[in-house]
Parts: sequence; structure tokens; C-alpha cells
Amino acid sequence: SQQGEEDPQALSIQEGENATMNCSYKTSINNLQWYRQNSGRGLVHLILIRSNEREKHSGRLRVTLDTSKKSSSLLITASRAADTASYFCATGGGSNYKLTFGKGTLLTVNP
Amino acid sequence: DGGITQSPKYLFRKEGQNVTLSCEQNLNHDAMYWYRQDPGQGLRLIYYSQIVNDFQKGDIAEGYSVSREKKESFPLTVTSAQKNPTAFYLCASSTTGTGGAGELFFGEGSRLTVL
Repeated sequence: SQQGEEDPQALSIQEGENATMNCSYKTSINNLQWYRQNSGRGLVHLILIRSNEREKHSGRLRVTLDTSKKSSSLLITASRAADTASYFCATGGGSNYKLTFGKGTLLTVNP
Repeated sequence: DGGITQSPKYLFRKEGQNVTLSCEQNLNHDAMYWYRQDPGQGLRLIYYSQIVNDFQKGDIAEGYSVSREKKESFPLTVTSAQKNPTAFYLCASSTTGTGGAGELFFGEGSRLTVL
């Protein structure tokens, strides 16, 4: 079964706008990670946030984590056409190294 | 350059045949993973390995087998018992330590089509 579930499934915006994607999960986690995938390619790691962190930034990316609500959000500011991709959240918990992915959000940034 | 190499990129198989997908990493990572991706399904974990000579089933291990004889290599065999093997297969690796899985590094994937 998949742990994380992204919302929305698809998002279409104009260049320069901000894009927000959400991820909800069900059980306790050690960390939550966000990945990006261009069509037909492997995934690329964007950012990792630990369970004791609430917010993290990396360039135009901002990730928040609310463990009480079991949810996370990924904000991409000032989006570009090159940001067009699928974005996945992944969660890991316990003493093993199993990492479970959601179904992803397909982001389309129109020039 | 360090990274993960998957081969072949495209593979065609007849029903009833076993096929093996290769995954090699030179990142000196202990943990390695195999995921399957179907349209609209996201990534589903097939098998993962935290150390050489040890591996665990993921969520959809039936019809698949793996081995981890070397740190650098984690091949996946899709057996004839896998009822619907047509999919995009992704291999990944990560460091291990406290706090669970770290950042995963992915290969470029292998697309398997059953004819």
C-alpha cells in the first residue's frame, strides 16, 4: 500500500505563478522527501525534511511538514516552463530503509 | 561520474520468459531499491536491500526475484509468474544511517514490454 498521497493529481499554471502541492500520509515517519520526474526519466531528489523540522527551503522550493496533521506541502515560487514535471512525495519510517511513494502531482507550467 | 546505471533501457519479452534487469551503482551506497511505475499508479516498491546478502520484499514482490551478492549490484528478475509485467522499472540507491532512508539516487529506468 502507498503511504503518501499527493493532491492535486494535476495542476496547470502560467509561468511566474506559484505552484503548491500537498502530500498526506498515514503512519509516523522519520522523514519526508520530495522528488521530481520528467517524463520517461528517473526521479531526482529535491528536498528532505525530518520529522522534527517544520519548514525547509532550497532555492525556489519551500517545504512544510505538519506531523500532527500528517501532511506536507511543496511550494514552487516563480514557476518556469522547465518546472513542468511530475512531483512525488516519499515517506520513510521505523528502523528500516523502506521508502514509499505517492502517486504524484503532474505540474504543467505554460509559457 | 558517480551514479546508477540501469540496463537495458528498453526490453521486449515474450510471455512465459524470465528477464533480468541490471542495476549497478558506484556511489558506495549500502541500500538499493527496485520500484515499478505504471501510469497513474506512482511508484510501487518491489524489493529493497539494506546490505549485501540481505534483501526484503516490498509491497508487490510476487513474480519478482532479486539478489545482492555485491554492494554495487542489485539485479531484478521478472519471472513468468508475474502476470502483468509491462511497466517502467526504476532502480535507486541511498546511504544508510540513523533516521531511516536518506536521499535516493535513481537510474534512468528500464521499460519492459511483454509481447
